[in-house]
Amino acid sequence: DAKTTQPNSMESNEEEPVHLPCNHSTISGTDYIHWYRQLPSQGPEYVIHGLTSNVNNRMASLAIAEDRKSSTLILHRATLRDAAVYYCILITLEKLTFGTGTRLTIIP
Amino acid sequence: KAGVTQTPRYLIKTRGQQVTLSCSPISGHRSVSWYQQTPGQGLQFLFEYFSETQRNKGNFPGRFSGRQFSNSRSEMNVSTLELGDSALYLCASSLYTTDTQYFGPGTRLTVL
Repeated sequence: DAKTTQPNSMESNEEEPVHLPCNHSTISGTDYIHWYRQLPSQGPEYVIHGLTSNVNNRMASLAIAEDRKSSTLILHRATLRDAAVYYCILITLEKLTFGTGTRLTIIP
Repeated sequence: KAGVTQTPRYLIKTRGQQVTLSCSPISGHRSVSWYQQTPGQGLQFLFEYFSETQRNKGNFPGRFSGRQFSNSRSEMNVSTLELGDSALYLCASSLYTTDTQYFGPGTRLTVL
């Protein structure tokens, strides 16, 4: 089964870009790469998703490696409100595979 | 549009009892997924239902079961509760399995 691997924690200074990595070396061709984040005392919220091409939205950018074995969530200018646990998830019609999540700390 | 609602929000049970949790998805969403979240294990996928059929299942014992009704509302049931079942149970809905999932606030279950 496909698995995802993320660093347990990362720190970043406020107003600087943040790059959150996710490895999914056994990804299959039909796996969508989703990113969610969970703020303290809240349910997870959607951040971004993609299949093969890089994606941008108002919250973040998703850079997907050419071989799709890794991806990087990019927060262009981190704020204190971005402090959360970020999950990289692979989703197909047959299964959902979760990473362990990266706890992102923003330093003022 | 109303978001995902879960009832009850908090629940206290004792070992050996059973519990049923309810999830009402966003109107029009046909996929409902359930997750268990604990401090030690993080967010773990339980199962997913689409159009009343279980499509995906995580690695949980048979004590955990679920169902989905024709109006897409879903319930999950845990029988013979154990102390380790104490957790936040989250429900998420989406149009289809691979679409954006919208999470509810969760049900906090405490087993004494």
